[in-house]
Amino acid sequence: KAGVTQTPRYLIKTRGQQVTLSCSPISGHRSVSWYQQTPGQGLQFLFEYFSETQRNKGNFPGRFSGRQFSNSRSEMNVSTLELGDSALYLCASSLAFGGPEAFFGQGTRLTVV
Amino acid sequence: KQEVTQIPAALSVPEGENLVLNCSFTDSAIYNLQWFRQDPGKGLTSLLLIQSSQREQTSGRLNASLDKSSGRSTLYIAASQPGDSATYLCAPRDAGYALNFGKGTSLLVTP
Repeated sequence: KAGVTQTPRYLIKTRGQQVTLSCSPISGHRSVSWYQQTPGQGLQFLFEYFSETQRNKGNFPGRFSGRQFSNSRSEMNVSTLELGDSALYLCASSLAFGGPEAFFGQGTRLTVV
Repeated sequence: KQEVTQIPAALSVPEGENLVLNCSFTDSAIYNLQWFRQDPGKGLTSLLLIQSSQREQTSGRLNASLDKSSGRSTLYIAASQPGDSATYLCAPRDAGYALNFGKGTSLLVTP
């Protein structure tokens, strides 16, 4: 059974640009959550999508957005990139909204220069 | 806002030792709690899931306990091996269903 797939694995972007990250959940899982991991703040919740609807959102600015497609794949977009957006972005998939168990992908390492 | 604290922050032990990693959280209204391990530069691997109604969960050499009322969970690793070296993360899932992470315990098991 394939795990959670995140693409691309690495990205380098310039300040002010925008970026789109992709996440394909485990087959049959309908919920996708996104997390940001930085050395200073640790892992922080961005948002969760279930049945193509955002169900929960963390404390991040509106520059961070996402969407989910009918096949449960999800994309996350960050506009007007800042240096502080450099982080490992992790996607987690679950059977349903809120879990019960979350399975994570390998992450996308975003570097903003 | 849920605050999660993991103690110790780092631990170095010789192979074969039994270990206890501690996690405390401030809001006891949790849905469940997961323990993960993370290898450097990699994603998170789920180790154990404990539902809020459960007291403990076991998988191989790993045992996790949960005391929801006191806001504590512990991960017990028996007979540690060098392959257990990683960062261990505790994540209670809050009433809004988001996972809240601690900073983790960095474990090094030496041969």
